[in-house]
Amino acid sequence: DIQMTQSPSSLSASVGDRVTITCRASQSISTYLNWYQQKPGKAPKLLIYAASTLQSGVPSRFSGSGSGTDFTLTISSLQPEDFITYYCQQSYSTPKTFGQGTKVEIK
Amino acid sequence: QVQLQESGPGLVKPSETLSLTCTVSGGSINRYYWSWIRQPPGKGLEWIGNIYYLGSTKYNPSLKSRVTISVDTSKNLFSLRLSSVTAADTAVYYCARATATGYTLEWRGYFDYWGQGTLVTVSS
Repeated sequence: DIQMTQSPSSLSASVGDRVTITCRASQSISTYLNWYQQKPGKAPKLLIYAASTLQSGVPSRFSGSGSGTDFTLTISSLQPEDFITYYCQQSYSTPKTFGQGTKVEIK
Repeated sequence: QVQLQESGPGLVKPSETLSLTCTVSGGSINRYYWSWIRQPPGKGLEWIGNIYYLGSTKYNPSLKSRVTISVDTSKNLFSLRLSSVTAADTAVYYCARATATGYTLEWRGYFDYWGQGTLVTVSS
């Protein structure tokens, strides 16, 4: 199985901060990497697919980059609704696996 | 706008079979892959498996011996059966549309539409 490791597991930041979350795959996954956000009690919502393509309707403050084994999700200016949990997910091979999540909290 | 809705029992006894249905509305089930994903309370996400509208499936090897995913295109729905459940199978179960990126032998893509999720508790 391909292990997806996110760092940090949690972070504290303020509204307006620039935040970067990292996702590392245990082997190369090309750009088959997606990012989701999840509010408590809700289904995950797709933010970015294929490592860097912004899903329709997602604000442009979200961006993704990377290929191979190292990927990043950047939020350029945190908004109050962004203080939730983020997951990366690889679809390169079976089983499709998710990172453990990164919780973004208000400082 | 595509919408997905999970339905099924919220309580299942140990050793019995968990059965859920995902009804797709606002779009056709045809020409897409569809998935089941679960999340134990307070934990991360686990992919259970995919099904193509024509019926081909791919399962998580950790669950493969207990999982069956099927599709009914005439009713625009797909279903999950998980046998011999234990307390470890207690989770919120989500269904999702699995959109493919490109044309590869194995599905590669992303989950772009999700159901709201349904909590299934395994307990006697």
